Amino acid sequence: DAGVTQSPTHLIKTRGQQVTLRCSPKSGHDTVSWYQQALGQGPQFIFQYYEEEERQRGNFPDRFSGHQFPNYSSELNVNALLLGDSALYLCASSPQGLYTGELFFGEGSRLTVL
Amino acid sequence: GDSVTQMEGPVTLSEEAFLTINCTYTATGYPSLFWYVQYPGEGLQLLLKATKADDKGSNKGFEATYRKETTSFHLEKGSVQVSDSAVYFCALSDPQGAQKLVFGQGTRLTINP
Repeated sequence: DAGVTQSPTHLIKTRGQQVTLRCSPKSGHDTVSWYQQALGQGPQFIFQYYEEEERQRGNFPDRFSGHQFPNYSSELNVNALLLGDSALYLCASSPQGLYTGELFFGEGSRLTVL
Repeated sequence: GDSVTQMEGPVTLSEEAFLTINCTYTATGYPSLFWYVQYPGEGLQLLLKATKADDKGSNKGFEATYRKETTSFHLEKGSVQVSDSAVYFCALSDPQGAQKLVFGQGTRLTINP
């Protein structure tokens, strides 16, 4: 049973560019959340998707957007990249109807903005 | 808003030493509390959790008790091993079941043989 998978694992962009990160949730999970983890910090909630809609959003600008597909996979898009967007981006999945409090995380996509 | 504060690291201990990592929280209502662990090269994974006051979560020899009166959830282990070297995160979740976690800044633990 595959867990949460994310791609790419590493990428480098320059300021002003756009990036798309991808996530496949754990089998049987229908809810996907994205977190940003800056170096030496704890993860911060970006947003959550369920039934292909954004259900909750953290304190992130509109440059951060997402999408969820019918197969529950998800994308995180960041436009007009800033140096401060350099971070590890984590995807987490959970089952909406059987939530026990545990989120399952992928290994993350490490974004470096130059 | 809700927040979590962890003791600053890094923490370096010798094998078989006693471990305590302090965690306090600020929240409205009664959140669930968690410890997640990030081993080198791996994703975050749940270590233990507690959902109400005085609950004790335990796993792999680690324990933490939900203390409402002191708003704390300190992580303890009686005898650490080299394999416990990792980054530990204390977190809370919305008591309304919103499936959103608020994390502390993390504590890097290194165990020397």
